[in-house]
Amino acid sequence: GAVVSQHPSWVICKSGTSVKIECRSLDFQATTMFWYRQFPKQSLMLMATSNEGSKATYEQGVEKDKFLINHASLTLSTLTVTSAHPEDSSFYICSAGGGGARVNYGYTFGSGTRLTVV
Amino acid sequence: DAKTTQPPSMDCAEGRAANLPCNHSTISGNEYVYWYRQIHSQGPQYIIHGLKNNETNEMASLIITEDRKSSTLILPHATLRDTAVYYCIVRVIWGGSQGNLIFGKGTKLSVKP
Repeated sequence: GAVVSQHPSWVICKSGTSVKIECRSLDFQATTMFWYRQFPKQSLMLMATSNEGSKATYEQGVEKDKFLINHASLTLSTLTVTSAHPEDSSFYICSAGGGGARVNYGYTFGSGTRLTVV
Repeated sequence: DAKTTQPPSMDCAEGRAANLPCNHSTISGNEYVYWYRQIHSQGPQYIIHGLKNNETNEMASLIITEDRKSSTLILPHATLRDTAVYYCIVRVIWGGSQGNLIFGKGTKLSVKP
């Protein structure tokens, strides 16, 4: 149990275009989802936290108008990188957590999306 | 900022136990210790967590000192597939709520034949 599917696994886009990344919890309802970014040889950096049905909370330094997060259902969150630039190239990872009895068991992570902006 | 410190890298011989230390001297009473690992270019994988008692599951054992200021993750028989970056994270749990996960730099474990 506790599977999170992230799609696509990799994407190449042109500078100035927008890219949408999906994160789905397949066998549980995710009350909270998180989006991370990871640059080569660095650790994961939390970008934002989203709770189903409410606006995302962004970490300091993360542009909310550039990284649009939608968590419209308990099983789906999306991250849209708008007007992408080469410096947005990174590994983006989502994670999801359920409530109730699942709280103690941490979060389940997606497999990540490698974004390359050319 | 991450609230844990870990050695940047460790080596372990295949088949031997890997002992990964973590310091969390500022841990508070409602914070749990979690361990995740990340194999290259994949999402992190949950390993184990604990509050104050030692824990064991099919993947690993977690030893937490009595004062809770440090812990050790033990992989009893390391294999080449255990080569990964291991992250020690403290996380708040209270009632039905849960804190987010803040990753530090982790320990890069290299298991060698």
